[in-house]
Amino acid sequence: DAMVIQNPRYQVTQFGKPVTLSCSQTLNHNVMYWYQQKSSQAPKLLFHYYDKDFNNEADTPDNFQSRRPNTSFCFLDIRSPGLGDAAMYLCATSLGGSGTEAFFGQGTRLTVV
Amino acid sequence: GEDVEQSLFLSVREGDSSVINCTYTDSSSTYLYWYKQEPGAGLQLLTYIFSNMDMKQDQRLTVLLNKKDKHLSLRIADTQTGDSAIYFCAESSYSSASKIIFGSGTRLSIRP
Repeated sequence: DAMVIQNPRYQVTQFGKPVTLSCSQTLNHNVMYWYQQKSSQAPKLLFHYYDKDFNNEADTPDNFQSRRPNTSFCFLDIRSPGLGDAAMYLCATSLGGSGTEAFFGQGTRLTVV
Repeated sequence: GEDVEQSLFLSVREGDSSVINCTYTDSSSTYLYWYKQEPGAGLQLLTYIFSNMDMKQDQRLTVLLNKKDKHLSLRIADTQTGDSAIYFCAESSYSSASKIIFGSGTRLSIRP
């Protein structure tokens, strides 16, 4: 059974039109991460939640926001998608602290038209 | 800041061993990971090693860690066509809290 579920798998949005990607987990993990992965590049951490504590990476654009209404769900909001935001977005969870395994979802591939 | 580096490509013959290398800069790294990514898919954890270990073996996979040189390798014995994928090295440390930092990935291709 899938433990980290991302919906949808593929998302097409219009330039400038807000879009939300969702992630849910059945593992009851403390930490949820959002990574952006462009073609042939390393996944780049955008931000993560440790419980309700939000941790933004310094170089994450303001255009990207996140919400975690409860332990199970985390959302990535892109307020005004640009062509450069087309990428695979990966959600992951872990128990937290250093050195715990991160479980990844299958990702949502975002296309901006 | 933390940095993880890998070579971009590796080509091996089917049945041979593959060795994928990684270097990292964070001397406080506590766990080092190898993830596999097949086309269009998410990341699958293959194995990981704690920084106080120097070797870990799991079936066809052998991880070697040289902490002094900050060098990590993944050896895949008897490489098969199903091993074709991108392999990412990653690290986490106490200094980076819960963050997992990835290398750029090594694309492994298998030739007959």
